[in-house]
Amino acid sequence: QKEVEQDPGPLSVPEGAIVSLNCTYSNSAFQYFMWYRQYSRKGPELLMYTYSSGNKEDGRFTAQVDKSSKYISLFIRDSQPSDSATYLCAIAYTGNQFYFGTGTSLTVIP
Amino acid sequence: DGGITQSPKYLFRKEGQNVTLSCEQNLNHDAMYWYRQDPGQGLRLIYYSQIVNDFQKGDIAEGYSVSREKKESFPLTVTSAQKNPTAFYLCASSATGGDEKLFFGSGTQLSVL
Repeated sequence: QKEVEQDPGPLSVPEGAIVSLNCTYSNSAFQYFMWYRQYSRKGPELLMYTYSSGNKEDGRFTAQVDKSSKYISLFIRDSQPSDSATYLCAIAYTGNQFYFGTGTSLTVIP
Repeated sequence: DGGITQSPKYLFRKEGQNVTLSCEQNLNHDAMYWYRQDPGQGLRLIYYSQIVNDFQKGDIAEGYSVSREKKESFPLTVTSAQKNPTAFYLCASSATGGDEKLFFGSGTQLSVL
């Protein structure tokens, strides 16, 4: 079983829609949860970082961690064409061991 | 500005040739990493280093080598033993001691001539 699973999509939404991206993970010991945005042929950019559980909001982006279900989500409100990218979830233990989802490709149609 | 610099952006390798990808960071991070990204696949860890003069193999280290002589630098050599080197290579770094955030460079696209 992989440490983290992510639906690869692709996901296509109209501009202004709310986007929901999700990952599941296997081990309840994970404590650090991240979402990255990656444009084509660029390095991933850290969007959201959460320690332990709960929600975190930053502008149009909300990251949610449900440790009881081992489920993490990224919500994008009022999606824009510039949000079109691949979104990677990542999880980590203490000790700098990172595990990545395979990424979800998102296209926001004007 | 603090960050991670990878060079070159594009690199071409001839048959039987070793090539070296550069990675430099000025974030004062102890840990550095090399990942390989293939289309439709997730990030795969090649090597990582938690401290100067020490590094560990990741999941796909065969055909690659690294060095960590300085805290700021973590070059990756793709040797001729790596038979399928065409991929997008990403260098990353993180602080240690409870701040588990990973930051990436802009990547190097390696192709075989």
